[in-house]
Amino acid sequence: DAGVIQSPRHEVTEMGQEVTLRCKPISGHNSLFWYRQTMMRGLELLIYFNNNVPIDDSGMPEDRFSAKMPNASFSTLKIQPSEPRDSAVYFCASTPLAVPTYNEQFFGPGTRLTVL
Amino acid sequence: AQTVTQSQPEMSVQEAETVTLSCTYDTSESDYYLFWYKQPPSRQMILVIRQEAYKQQNATENRFSVNFQKAAKSFSLKISDSQLGDAAMYFCAYRSPVRGGATNKLIFGTGTLLAVQP
Repeated sequence: DAGVIQSPRHEVTEMGQEVTLRCKPISGHNSLFWYRQTMMRGLELLIYFNNNVPIDDSGMPEDRFSAKMPNASFSTLKIQPSEPRDSAVYFCASTPLAVPTYNEQFFGPGTRLTVL
Repeated sequence: AQTVTQSQPEMSVQEAETVTLSCTYDTSESDYYLFWYKQPPSRQMILVIRQEAYKQQNATENRFSVNFQKAAKSFSLKISDSQLGDAAMYFCAYRSPVRGGATNKLIFGTGTLLAVQP
């Protein structure tokens, strides 16, 4: 199995530009999570989906952030317009919903975003 | 709301020695799950060990073991026979039980950076 796939691995952009991060979960996993990691705030959940439906988006920082999951094998996290404070590593993780309930979340390699 | 606290920003251990990383959490739930994740310089998040709160027996995975004290809400990680490859950031995480088919999120501590000295 290829694991969770994220693209791009690195993204450098200028303030004000639109950024789109992509994630392909592990096949058969029906929960998908987007996390952001910064030195100041550590690892924080932005949003998660069950069966392609957003369940909890309370971690999305502001309206500039949006996430979609059009099908079971693809999700995007978009930032428009981007700001320097959005610079961080963004992780995607997936897990199956089925029992046993202590299923681990499998993380992708992350996308390092730098906004200049 | 649940919180996870790791009070040791950095730790250091000699190769082949034992080190214990601390984690405390706060919750009003009686059933939950606890995890330790390792993040090496590659940034990949790797599950090290997990513990179900209803189990009294401490989880063990090879050189990694936990000391789970439910009443004290403490969940420490012990690494025995430390190896250079153990050098990484270690995160403690909490998760509520699955209810109604919904998977709940992981709540992470701030991490402990472990250095292993040769």
